[in-house]
Amino acid sequence: EAQVTQNPRYLITVTGKKLTVTCSQNMNHEYMSWYRQDPGLGLRQIYYSMNVEVTDKGDVPEGYKVSRKEKRNFPLILESPSPNQTSLYFCASSPGGQNYGYTFGSGTRLTVV
Amino acid sequence: SQQGEEDPQALSIQEGENATMNCSYKTSINNLQWYRQNSGRGLVHLILIRSNEREKHSGRLRVTLDTSKKSSSLLITASRAADTASYFCATGSTGGGNKLTFGTGTQLKVEL
Repeated sequence: EAQVTQNPRYLITVTGKKLTVTCSQNMNHEYMSWYRQDPGLGLRQIYYSMNVEVTDKGDVPEGYKVSRKEKRNFPLILESPSPNQTSLYFCASSPGGQNYGYTFGSGTRLTVV
Repeated sequence: SQQGEEDPQALSIQEGENATMNCSYKTSINNLQWYRQNSGRGLVHLILIRSNEREKHSGRLRVTLDTSKKSSSLLITASRAADTASYFCATGSTGGGNKLTFGTGTQLKVEL
């Protein structure tokens, strides 16, 4: 089944403790992206990647890192999480960016205390 | 930054009625897409309409695009309780990077 898989589904952590949210797609998509969703603010893009070793900032990249060493994986790293990063995070992929429909993962609900 | 703004923010209708949601955006676009999100779940792509298209259909969905007014509408005909969800428009802009920018969504509730 074609899908984007995110892990974990839920995560509660403490301020400052580094964490990684994994994202993997099995559709050989070149484009991958991370979004966060907050009430009243909709989805905001954090980072995106056009291909392996090519990443770029979205609208809200501060406090996040990403890497794209393999085509299928696009992990999101929070090196020193803070409470304002409490949010619902989505990974998405597409064959080639904005001109195609995105396939979204099921989301990761992160709480930073 | 948000590009699309959906209207209304919330909509409640009876099963069998039609639901219309609108999206307005600010800059030139390559395409506009609509997505559905069931509570707390991932978004599901519904339909993509390109800037040179005016109308598109997919099953019970009808999307229109008016680039002169920078607006789009999503019509769901003969709605069902299972259509209860949030609906988002997303725009692919002609400038500013290869990405989709999402609006804040319309919450649709279809009651039996």
